[in-house]
Amino acid sequence: KAGVTQTPRYLIKTRGQQVTLSCSPISGHRSVSWYQQTPGQGLQFLFEYFSETQRNKGNFPGRFSGRQFSNSRSEMNVSTLELGDSALYLCASSLGGQGNEKLFFGSGTQLSVL
Amino acid sequence: GEDVEQSLFLSVREGDSSVINCTYTDSSSTYLYWYKQEPGAGLQLLTYIFSNMDMKQDQRLTVLLNKKDKHLSLRIADTQTGDSAIYFCAESRMGANNLFFGTGTRLTVIP
Repeated sequence: KAGVTQTPRYLIKTRGQQVTLSCSPISGHRSVSWYQQTPGQGLQFLFEYFSETQRNKGNFPGRFSGRQFSNSRSEMNVSTLELGDSALYLCASSLGGQGNEKLFFGSGTQLSVL
Repeated sequence: GEDVEQSLFLSVREGDSSVINCTYTDSSSTYLYWYKQEPGAGLQLLTYIFSNMDMKQDQRLTVLLNKKDKHLSLRIADTQTGDSAIYFCAESRMGANNLFFGTGTRLTVIP
């Protein structure tokens, strides 16, 4: 069974640009969550999607958005990039029950904003 | 506060036991997790414990939970060089799938 797949693996953008990251969950998993990992702030929850709807949201500005497709694949978008958005963005999938599930993570997308 | 706390560094000799500690914040957390992150990789779920348990053993891994003190620990027996990584504890709150992670403990295994 394939794991969680994130593309691209690395991205370099400049300030003010926008970026779209992609995540394909484990087959059969319906929930996709996104996390940001930085040396300063550690791992922080961005949002969770289930059945194409955002179910939970962390404390990030509106520049961070996401969506989920009918095949459970998810994308997250960051608009008007700032230097502080440089981070490893991790996607996790789970079966989709309401809480307390095992989350399986992808290898992440390393975003560098110059 | 909202912080899940861990010590930043731990060094052990190969073959010894490692104990990584974590203090969490939410007494209503129902599941607590341990994840491992190797360089350049995502997070690998190692084990988890339900809040009504005191201990869980899984091969070389032993998790201890003290709910009164909100303290969680991960013991790795017979630590190997391949265990060198960053270990994160995480708690789920309010029955949701968003996890709150600790700062991570960098484990270095000395041959």
